Amino acid sequence: KQEVTQIPAALSVPEGENLVLNCSFTDSAIYNLQWFRQDPGKGLTSLLLIQSSQREQTSGRLNASLDKSSGRSTLYIAASQPGDSATYLCAVKDFNKFYFGSGTKLNVKP
Amino acid sequence: KAGVTQTPRYLIKTRGQQVTLSCSPISGHRSVSWYQQTPGQGLQFLFEYFSETQRNKGNFPGRFSGRQFSNSRSEMNVSTLELGDSALYLCASKDSASNEQFFGPGTRLTVL
Repeated sequence: KQEVTQIPAALSVPEGENLVLNCSFTDSAIYNLQWFRQDPGKGLTSLLLIQSSQREQTSGRLNASLDKSSGRSTLYIAASQPGDSATYLCAVKDFNKFYFGSGTKLNVKP
Repeated sequence: KAGVTQTPRYLIKTRGQQVTLSCSPISGHRSVSWYQQTPGQGLQFLFEYFSETQRNKGNFPGRFSGRQFSNSRSEMNVSTLELGDSALYLCASKDSASNEQFFGPGTRLTVL
């Protein structure tokens, strides 16, 4: 069964810092990996989707990479801002289902 | 294009009651999935519907059920509510071409 782990569980950084969030998964037979952001009490907002054949995707200050062979993905956030404060979740899709990590709670201090 | 909508946004029920939640996917999306999110368990997959058929199911008791209509709108029903059913229930629709999921704002269910 697929297991998705996100480290660290929480992260606090000063504004302007570049940071990396990690996601690891146990079964490399995935269709895609998706990164989401969730604000307290709200739904999930899709940030980036990486298909299994891709190595990375970029959107603005965000860059996500995927290494299927090692079962790892990273989300790089450049020049972090207080508005980036949220919980970031990764999800991998196999043939049937999506599997979510428990998230990294990010706090960007002004 | 309108996003995923969920109604109601908030619900308060008492133990033993039943509840029905509704989800309207993004226009053109035929797949709808439901998730339960709690602080202790995180996001847990309930079930997925595609073209009115349940395609996948998570590990939840039979008190949790769902259905999908011909217009792709979906409903989730929880019968005989328990205190532990208090959670944020999220619905997601999926683009069949890219398999990208898009989530609604959720329904916050509180069971007293």
